[in-house]
Amino acid sequence: DAMVIQNPRYQVTQFGKPVTLSCSQTLNHNVMYWYQQKSSQAPKLLFHYYDKDFNNEADTPDNFQSRRPNTSFCFLDIRSPGLGDAAMYLCATSRDKGPNEQFFGPGTRLTVL
Amino acid sequence: DQQVKQNSPSLSVQEGRISILNCDYTNSMFDYFLWYKKYPAEGPTFLISISSIKDKNEDGRFTVFLNKSAKHLSLHIVPSQPGDSAVYFCAARASSNTGKLIFGQGTTLQVKP
Repeated sequence: DAMVIQNPRYQVTQFGKPVTLSCSQTLNHNVMYWYQQKSSQAPKLLFHYYDKDFNNEADTPDNFQSRRPNTSFCFLDIRSPGLGDAAMYLCATSRDKGPNEQFFGPGTRLTVL
Repeated sequence: DQQVKQNSPSLSVQEGRISILNCDYTNSMFDYFLWYKKYPAEGPTFLISISSIKDKNEDGRFTVFLNKSAKHLSLHIVPSQPGDSAVYFCAARASSNTGKLIFGQGTTLQVKP
């Protein structure tokens, strides 16, 4: 089945220790998104890639970076995690930017100690 | 500034009855709206969508209504089933250029047998 895969499902890191979250897709979609969702809040878009074109949201902290080495993979790097970065991180894909739905992975729950 | 709001954090409905989930938005430039369903430990899954040029879209037990003048949309589930118990997010497409979605905070629906 075509799908969006996120690894790991649960990640624990220490305050200030860099961490990388992974997303892969078998849908061959052009667009990949990273969302942050804190408890009982709306998912919030951090950035997205349209093919290799990176688009950062204006209010995404510099602490968050992303890489997309190929169509299938996209990474979220948090350079110096703070306690406030503990959240669920959701990866999503869509075929293009038009009016079609985004397909989400199961998410990675990040804990910062 | 929350552009998409789901004012009811939770809703409880008896099996077989109608579930009505509501969503309000503030930006009249939104042109496409979606509903997602999320089970625990899973990512959101697409449920149904509606373009701003329509006022109703139906798919089986699910119907979405859009009232542009009131900037309000609703999701009707008839009849409700216990398996519908989940968190429901409404989302609006912010820009045809980026495909960016802005999500509401979610409503937890519980359908009681």
